Amino acid sequence: AQSVTQPDIHITVSEGASLELRCNYSYGATPYLFWYVQSPGQGLQLLLKYFSGDTLVQGIKGFEAEFKRSQSSFNLRKPSVHWSDAAEYFCAVPNFGNEKLTFGTGTRLTIIP
Amino acid sequence: DGGITQSPKYLFRKEGQNVTLSCEQNLNHDAMYWYRQDPGQGLRLIYYSQIVNDFQKGDIAEGYSVSREKKESFPLTVTSAQKNPTAFYLCASRGGTGVSYEQYFGPGTRLTVT
Repeated sequence: AQSVTQPDIHITVSEGASLELRCNYSYGATPYLFWYVQSPGQGLQLLLKYFSGDTLVQGIKGFEAEFKRSQSSFNLRKPSVHWSDAAEYFCAVPNFGNEKLTFGTGTRLTIIP
Repeated sequence: DGGITQSPKYLFRKEGQNVTLSCEQNLNHDAMYWYRQDPGQGLRLIYYSQIVNDFQKGDIAEGYSVSREKKESFPLTVTSAQKNPTAFYLCASRGGTGVSYEQYFGPGTRLTVT
């Protein structure tokens, strides 16, 4: 089955600094990939998704992600973080045939002034 | 506004009692899902339903039950057989067919069992 790994449990960055959150996938063919964000005590919101075509995907809130087949990665980036970006971020991949999503374990982002 | 509602936001129960969590959507989505979230474990799928009157077990269905009598509603019952029910529960829905369609999430219900 398809799976994703988020190797960083917790990341701390300064406000205004750049951000990169890692996601590695396990799948032979070109996968569909999603990034979601969860504010404390809230549901998940879709940031962006990749299906095919251009490997650099733009999302909401100034986020982007780049699909790299050679590295089996789909890392999330933002050039300058804001205090409101503090949240937990999840990478996800659908399982073909039954249309379920498999989530990574998440990366918690802390922003320091 | 279209979306998914979960009620209540916080729920407290005594051990040994069954409890039902509500999930309603007005997005006209066919598929609905229930996830459980525990710190450091991401989201784990409990049950899902792709059509009315049909549902499938997810990865951690033991101790839970669901029904799908209406397209817009997918309640989850946490039974007394669930050994560790305290968690954050998220409901989601998905429109369209095929894996390209994203899931939309409700705000969640935090269940505490003592």
